[in-house]
Amino acid sequence: NAGVMQNPRHLVRRRGQEARLRCSPMKGHSHVYWYRQLPEEGLKFMVYLQKENIIDESGMPKERFSAEFPKEGPSILRIQQVVRGDSAAYFCASSPFKFGGADEKLFFGSGTQLSVL
Amino acid sequence: GENVEQHPSTLSVQEGDSAVIKCTYSDSASNYFPWYKQELGKRPQLIIDIRSNVGEKKDQRIAVTLNKTAKHFSLHITETQPEDSAVYFCAASANNNDMRFGAGTRLTVKP
Repeated sequence: NAGVMQNPRHLVRRRGQEARLRCSPMKGHSHVYWYRQLPEEGLKFMVYLQKENIIDESGMPKERFSAEFPKEGPSILRIQQVVRGDSAAYFCASSPFKFGGADEKLFFGSGTQLSVL
Repeated sequence: GENVEQHPSTLSVQEGDSAVIKCTYSDSASNYFPWYKQELGKRPQLIIDIRSNVGEKKDQRIAVTLNKTAKHFSLHITETQPEDSAVYFCAASANNNDMRFGAGTRLTVKP
């Protein structure tokens, strides 16, 4: 099992460009979470998705940010018209079950470091 | 929604001493409390977790305690070693809810 895979590891964008961050959950995991981490700060919840459904996007900015987790393929976090303040590490995590089930453990990917010039 | 507070933000101890990190949560429905360790530039790794039907759990030098009445839980590391130096995050989640993290504690163990 390769674990949670995120790519790219590093992403550099100029202001106004689009950033697409990918996350492939662990095999058999159907729940994906995205977190943002600013330098020297904690992990901030952004969005929780299951296959083809957004369950909770309360932590995601209303504008410019979107996320999806299609039936086939990785989960995508998309940031349109990036600004300098979007520079951060974005971590994806996956879980096999909805929390409250037999195994609630969250497994993290290595993160994508987004730098906006 | 859930709000998790974590203290202290930084902690420096001498090798061999104990370290204690404390967290409080707001949602009384929360019933799962994991702790993550994040080394510089790496992903958060689960080190220990506790469920609300248990008051204390221990794994070698690491222990976690939970006080549901007061809505706080703590991480205890005994006989600290330099390799324990990292940022530690507490988290809380309730059934059918999302995991929310504390702001983190940067632990430095001085040799």
